Amino acid sequence: IQMTQSPSTLSASVGDRVTITCRASQSISNWLAWYQHKPGKAPKLLIYKASTLESGVPSRFSGSGSGTEFTLTISSLQPDDFATYYCQQYNSDPWAFGQGTKVEIK
Amino acid sequence: QVQLVQSGAEVKNPGASVKVSCKASGYTFSNFGISWVRQAPGQGLEWMGWISVSHGNTKYGHNVQGRLTMTTDTSTSTVYMDLRSLKSDDTAVYYCARDRARWASSGPDAFDIWGQGTVVTVSS
Repeated sequence: IQMTQSPSTLSASVGDRVTITCRASQSISNWLAWYQHKPGKAPKLLIYKASTLESGVPSRFSGSGSGTEFTLTISSLQPDDFATYYCQQYNSDPWAFGQGTKVEIK
Repeated sequence: QVQLVQSGAEVKNPGASVKVSCKASGYTFSNFGISWVRQAPGQGLEWMGWISVSHGNTKYGHNVQGRLTMTTDTSTSTVYMDLRSLKSDDTAVYYCARDRARWASSGPDAFDIWGQGTVVTVSS
């Protein structure tokens, strides 16, 4: 199963609504997670089972989708949100991440 | 608190092996699987392999199949990653990561707890 994210890079301003898309090459039901990764730090789980918010994650993050198409939405981008975001499928072998989406300051 | 603490940075020659440890604390070690994920310089995250601590079975990624062995030591709540026949392409930050769901038996789950990362440099 291949995971394709778009866009690869996204330039946005504080307060913007941001949407990142992740497509699977075959159906993965809702076995999808989203992570935030900042340089020099470990990745952080944001969303699991496509739409369930991990404990402690701000409610401005949300996930949706099932089957082959998924989205991560940040409703109002905050300064701490500039990072790279990855989707990950955990439905079946080969377990894989998307290539990442870097959210940059506009 | 729940945490994974990894061993320190390593520098290896091409063709050598490296063994990185990941010590768990703050939770029941046998209840959760552990994966290894790496990030090469300028690249994205790559899932390498997973071990079910409770069942002992493993899954390995195609890129490292035949070179990677994951083991556990339940007496010290530690998972080990042993990567052999190192190449320059194996230069990366290596992370261990815990399954979010308990008792997964056929493969990894989402990863809710991560180690701090271990830099492995392969260079002659």
